Amino acid sequence: QKEVEQNSGPLSVPEGAIASLNCTYSDRGSQSFFWYRQYSGKSPELIMFIYSNGDKEDGRFTAQLNKASQYVSLLIRDSQPSDSATYLCAVKPSSGSARQLTFGSGTQLTVLP
Amino acid sequence: DAMVIQNPRYQVTQFGKPVTLSCSQTLNHNVMYWYQQKSSQAPKLLFHYYDKDFNNEADTPDNFQSRRPNTSFCFLDIRSPGLGDAAMYLCATETGTGGLPLHFGNGTRLTVT
Repeated sequence: QKEVEQNSGPLSVPEGAIASLNCTYSDRGSQSFFWYRQYSGKSPELIMFIYSNGDKEDGRFTAQLNKASQYVSLLIRDSQPSDSATYLCAVKPSSGSARQLTFGSGTQLTVLP
Repeated sequence: DAMVIQNPRYQVTQFGKPVTLSCSQTLNHNVMYWYQQKSSQAPKLLFHYYDKDFNNEADTPDNFQSRRPNTSFCFLDIRSPGLGDAAMYLCATETGTGGLPLHFGNGTRLTVT
């Protein structure tokens, strides 16, 4: 069973702090990794994607991928109350439907003013 | 702006009464997906179309059907909704060239009474 695991939270951080969200996956051959932000009652919105080991930075967001350890993380620097949302990790598996993403159940982040 | 549009935003139906959700896209993407997302859970893929080719997930109930009359439109039909089918239904598109990520519509919140 291919799985993507995330801590459900809630994770609370003060405004201005770094929020660290983690995700592990079971399919060692996974190739593509995505972070989506989902506000309550809204649809997921792509934040970042990463394909290669290491770090990828985009503004206040940094995605980190370690394929050997099978984890991917998302760091949010200078967290703002508007970052309060559920963050979904999604992984493209190495087999099965070439089109299918496997989503984690999400980590709920609250940034306290 | 190119986008994925779902209608209606909220849908209420009665137990056992057929309902259709619609999705349209101006992105000209080859692939269209339907996901079901229940509260605090990961989005669950129901099926997808690659152009006209329909791909059903093995665990998608027969109660759920889909139609894609052209590139721009895709419909989700629930033949006999049960209380357990109440969820957010998400339509997403993808280019089909292997270039994930997914572009989500705003979702339709289905209530079954």
